[in-house]
Amino acid sequence: EDKVVQSPLSLVVHEGDTVTLNCSYEVTNFRSLLWYKQEKKAPTFLFMLTSSGIEKKSGRLSSILDKKELFSILNITATQTGDSAIYLCAVVGGATNKLIFGTGTLLAVQP
Amino acid sequence: DSGVTQTPKHLITATGQRVTLRCSPRSGDLSVYWYQQSLDQGLQFLIQYYNGEERAKGNILERFSAQQFPDLHSELNLSSLELGDSALYFCASSVLSTLDTEAFFGQGTRLTVV
Repeated sequence: EDKVVQSPLSLVVHEGDTVTLNCSYEVTNFRSLLWYKQEKKAPTFLFMLTSSGIEKKSGRLSSILDKKELFSILNITATQTGDSAIYLCAVVGGATNKLIFGTGTLLAVQP
Repeated sequence: DSGVTQTPKHLITATGQRVTLRCSPRSGDLSVYWYQQSLDQGLQFLIQYYNGEERAKGNILERFSAQQFPDLHSELNLSSLELGDSALYFCASSVLSTLDTEAFFGQGTRLTVV
């Protein structure tokens, strides 16, 4: 069965800390991996990764994919309270080309 | 504001009933995606339409159906509702026809089945 697992489930850090969120997957016919940030309501797109070893970067956020070990990490440096959110990882793939989400990591950044 | 509009924002209905959720995509977007988010199941992809045609199917129950109209708005129909269907239903849209692309989410419709 295709699955996407995120860890940790939740974490609490102080402003200025660096965090690393993990997403591992077991999905047949892998196509791509996407990261989303969900604050109060609607998820917002962060990154899409298709190739191993190529880092995607946007400000203090960066992400990389390892297709050999079947995981991705999302790094956030110099965290701010505005980074507090649920971070969702999703993989496109599967026998019938689906979008499969992990359960998310809840990040709380304290001032 | 993502430009994706979902109505209604909240919906409370009884078991066994049928409801319709509506989504207007961003101007110019041809794809509409539907998702269900519940506490126990997390976020799940239901179905995608592209320019009026079903493009990809996820974990959508047979009691649920969707369509995309010529003006590109979409409706998600949920019938024979059960307590477990209570969830936040999101619609998203994108320009492209694929699943792996940047999609813009609406604010969701909160469905409560009592």
